[in-house]
Amino acid sequence: AQSVTQLDSQVPVFEEAPVELRCNYSSSVSVYLFWYVQYPNQGLQLLLKYLSGSTLVESINGFEAEFNKSQTSFHLRKPSVHISDTAEYFCAVRVSGYSTLTFGKGTMLLVSP
Amino acid sequence: GAVVSQHPSWVICKSGTSVKIECRSLDFQATTMFWYRQFPKQSLMLMATSNEGSKATYEQGVEKDKFLINHASLTLSTLTVTSAHPEDSSFYICSASKYEQYFGPGTRLTVT
Repeated sequence: AQSVTQLDSQVPVFEEAPVELRCNYSSSVSVYLFWYVQYPNQGLQLLLKYLSGSTLVESINGFEAEFNKSQTSFHLRKPSVHISDTAEYFCAVRVSGYSTLTFGKGTMLLVSP
Repeated sequence: GAVVSQHPSWVICKSGTSVKIECRSLDFQATTMFWYRQFPKQSLMLMATSNEGSKATYEQGVEKDKFLINHASLTLSTLTVTSAHPEDSSFYICSASKYEQYFGPGTRLTVT
């Protein structure tokens, strides 16, 4: 079975500051890794994913995540956050060949002026 | 591409009644759809996996007679909450799978 741990339930940060949202996973088999973002009262939107290849993946709005196999981590980073980045962020894993996602508990990113 | 819709976006119903939530993949065919439930400030809890033309697979602890799932076509799955009670009030999110899961916008159910 797989599990995903997001240690921080809430991360407050000032606008234009850098941020890192941590994600660690546990799995006995190879997995694909995802970050989803959820704005209030909305569904989830895929932010970025790692399937294979380069361990550093980027999104169109400035977020990036690096897959670290030895540390079983997939931390999400942004060098300068905006107020509009305030949302819930979920890390998830999926086993190759299966469609089921396993989610972490989520991290609320609170960006203040 | 890969847009998933849900209807209704919110619904209020009286205790004891049933309510149906639709999930549609608008621009692709999805052989598998998923239903999740989300409580305030919590993660998504997978309720069931639905494959077109076959019975849904429910997660442990989810009452299949209470949460009826029908996946009649490659673009439509429905979740019916039968004999709803206030504790069924929640945010229900569906997703449709085409290589990856694409999520609907969610349905807020309030049972009074």
